[in-house]
Amino acid sequence: QQQVKQSPQSLIVQKGGIPIINCAYENTAFDYFPWYQQFPGKGPALLIAIRPDVSEKKEGRFTISFNKSAKQFSLHIMDSQPGDSATYFCAASRGGGYNKLIFGAGTRLAVHP
Amino acid sequence: KAGVTQTPRYLIKTRGQQVTLSCSPISGHRSVSWYQQTPGQGLQFLFEYFSETQRNKGNFPGRFSGRQFSNSRSEMNVSTLELGDSALYLCASSQQPSSYEQYFGPGTRLTVT
Repeated sequence: QQQVKQSPQSLIVQKGGIPIINCAYENTAFDYFPWYQQFPGKGPALLIAIRPDVSEKKEGRFTISFNKSAKQFSLHIMDSQPGDSATYFCAASRGGGYNKLIFGAGTRLAVHP
Repeated sequence: KAGVTQTPRYLIKTRGQQVTLSCSPISGHRSVSWYQQTPGQGLQFLFEYFSETQRNKGNFPGRFSGRQFSNSRSEMNVSTLELGDSALYLCASSQQPSSYEQYFGPGTRLTVT
């Protein structure tokens, strides 16, 4: 029940394409779903996050779609650029003062020029 | 505002030795969490500290321990190192346990030979 399943494992798109990364969870106590971006040699950087009371959130070229009934959420990157090439992690945590993030396995994205 | 800093950035140790890693959170952040990142297991939660108290612990052996100081800086210690402890150790800070956003440092790359 603690798992977060992420797919695909890797993704290749052309510049300007819209990569989509999907995550699914089981624990209905989760109430915070962030996405992190990690470049080689760096720590994960918080990209965007969503709470279950909204179905979509946009920040710049990044959009999270959230389906509470299906227990799924996804990241869309609009107008992808070569600089977006990185590993993306979805995660989940529950409230009540518990800061433990449960991470998906990661998606390695390559955006070709 | 400066980000999360971790020292040292790289470390090479021998099996059986012990190691101490240090983390300074973002100024004003009082909660510090530690994660282990490996290619095989991904990102896994180690423990969380707030007000010098461990609030949460992941599923790791007792060889992994930590502490937090009154200035919110944190250290983690691994005793009797094993080859499998080779990993990137990441520290994340948040304002307080009830704050969902966690910001990661660059990590300490530990290699055990």
